[in-house]
Amino acid sequence: EPEVTQTPSHQVTQMGQEVILRCVPISNHLYFYWYRQILGQKVEFLVSFYNNEISEKSEIFDDQFSVERPDGSNFTLKIRSTKLEDSAMYFCASRGGPNTGELFFGEGSRLTVL
Amino acid sequence: AQTVTQSQPEMSVQEAETVTLSCTYDTSESDYYLFWYKQPPSRQMILVIRQEAYKQQNATENRFSVNFQKAAKSFSLKISDSQLGDAAMYFCAYRGRETSGSRLTFGEGTQLTVNP
Repeated sequence: EPEVTQTPSHQVTQMGQEVILRCVPISNHLYFYWYRQILGQKVEFLVSFYNNEISEKSEIFDDQFSVERPDGSNFTLKIRSTKLEDSAMYFCASRGGPNTGELFFGEGSRLTVL
Repeated sequence: AQTVTQSQPEMSVQEAETVTLSCTYDTSESDYYLFWYKQPPSRQMILVIRQEAYKQQNATENRFSVNFQKAAKSFSLKISDSQLGDAAMYFCAYRGRETSGSRLTFGEGTQLTVNP
């Protein structure tokens, strides 16, 4: 069964460092998303991506964040200068097309900022 | 903006019994999707069940069923014959249909414990 894959599963970094989280969405899907979940809190929307551009972003997704789909298969989330409060689980998700409802999530990338 | 509310932070059920998790939402859209996702300790988000707002019939998936009350904006999840593997955090989620690529909005989650 097709699935969304994310790497790394866990990354530890120093405050101020750049981090890139990678995702391979399901191959024929058109819509891509990043969510984050701080430990013990709800799942928060960061950004959605369609047709090679951001379609929607939340207030959390500030200038420190960027997304890219560099090669037609990977979908990356970059955090330019990490802060302690960026420590969270980051989930990538994809969705098939305009008339499909559900998002399929990857297993998440745990980011720890020291 | 759409909001999703889960008023039960924690629930528990005896193995083989039935439990119902509550969810309410607020929206001005007429067509949308509602979902229940399960998050076990591994923290992966697993789709349990989906409901399309235009469908009057409540969705069912094996032991999982929903009670969708559109006028009341209520969407509860019933788990029958609860199993130990059902223990997890359950999130109710909403996605509007009118906007292409629109976000999925989650509730705060309900932690379900299944007692043997």
